[in-house]
Parts: sequence; C-alpha cells; structure tokens
Amino acid sequence: AQSVTQPDIHITVSEGASLELRCNYSYGATPYLFWYVQSPGQGLQLLLKYFSGDTLVQGIKGFEAEFKRSQSSFNLRKPSVHWSDAAEYFCAVGALGNEKLTFGTGTRLTIIP
Amino acid sequence: DAGVIQSPRHEVTEMGQEVTLRCKPISGHDYLFWYRQTMMRGLELLIYFNNNVPIDDSGMPEDRFSAKMPNASFSTLKIQPSEPRDSAVYFCASRGDGHTEAFFGQGTRLTVV
Repeated sequence: AQSVTQPDIHITVSEGASLELRCNYSYGATPYLFWYVQSPGQGLQLLLKYFSGDTLVQGIKGFEAEFKRSQSSFNLRKPSVHWSDAAEYFCAVGALGNEKLTFGTGTRLTIIP
Repeated sequence: DAGVIQSPRHEVTEMGQEVTLRCKPISGHDYLFWYRQTMMRGLELLIYFNNNVPIDDSGMPEDRFSAKMPNASFSTLKIQPSEPRDSAVYFCASRGDGHTEAFFGQGTRLTVV
C-alpha cells in the first residue's frame, strides 16, 4: 500500500529565511509525487508535481522539490519565504493507472517577521 | 473556468438529520473525487467516479454515506443520518483525462451538533 510521511507537523521560519519541508513516501512502483498548499478556509492548490524526467521540479510561487529515489523522498524547498507562504502543505503520492492519491498529514508553516 | 464549485461552504445540522453536499467539477474533467479532512485522520479519499460511474468507494466510512453523479457536471455526497463524528471539511476534486493532478474545490465545512 502506498503511504506518505511528513515528519514535521509544524515549522516556524523567519520571513526571508530558507525553507525545506520533508516528505517521504512508500510505493512499489514509480510514483507520481505532488505538493499541495492549503491556505486557511481554502481548498488545496497544486504547487508542483513530479512524474518523470528531471528530478528537480519547479513550481509556482518560487517553490521547488527534488525527487530522490534512493531516499524515497520528495522534499519541498524555497530559498526565501514570504509572509504569504504561511499555510498548510501536503505531500501526496499516486501513480500511473492508480487514481487514488494518498496524502500526508500535512505540515503547518508559520512565518514570523 | 470557475474551478470546482462546492456548496454549501458551511453546514451546521443536528444529529440525525440528512445532509447533502454538492459539487460541480471543472467542465470536461472525467474524474471526480470526494475527500474528507479531519484533524485526526487528515485527508481521506471517500469515493471517486470516472465518467459518472463510481469506481472505488472503499473509503466510504459506512452505509450512512452515499454518493451519486447523475451527470458529468454534478455530484452529491449524502449523509443520512448524520452524527457528530461526521463533522469535517469535505472536499470535491476533479481531474481531466491526460492530467496527473486533481483540482480541488474550496470545501464544505460540516458541523453536526
């Protein structure tokens, strides 16, 4: 069965500092990997996705993520966070032919001035 | 396109009452997903449809829950009778064939008192 682990429940970062959110997955085949962001009271918005090719993928809002098969990881990064990045971030795994996305439990990001 | 539209945004109901949540997917999308989000269990897939046909309802918690998709532009999730433990945010998402990611609505926050 596929699973996703986001080990950090809550992260606090100063505005302008760099950010890395961790995601580890378990899946028997080649995974499709996603990062979604959820602002308070809103739905989930796709930040970026990986399904093949270059293991470093660029997303919206200046985010990037790197797929590392050997570590079963897909960590999300941003070089300099903005106050508007405060939100909840979800990593998800799926696969070709498997329509069911499995989500991690999320990481809540707080930005301090 | 207006995106995935869910109604109502908020619903407060008394235990034992019937609740119906509604979703309009993005036009042309042929997959529709219903998710439930709670603090305890995170995001759980309840059921998904392909071309209006239910494909996998293994996530539906019990017989009190039912979902229908009478046509390509409308789906409902019904809870009858509702219980306080059904309180959660319910998301609808849709995906087009050939796309890898799902697009989420803003959710319905259900409170059963």
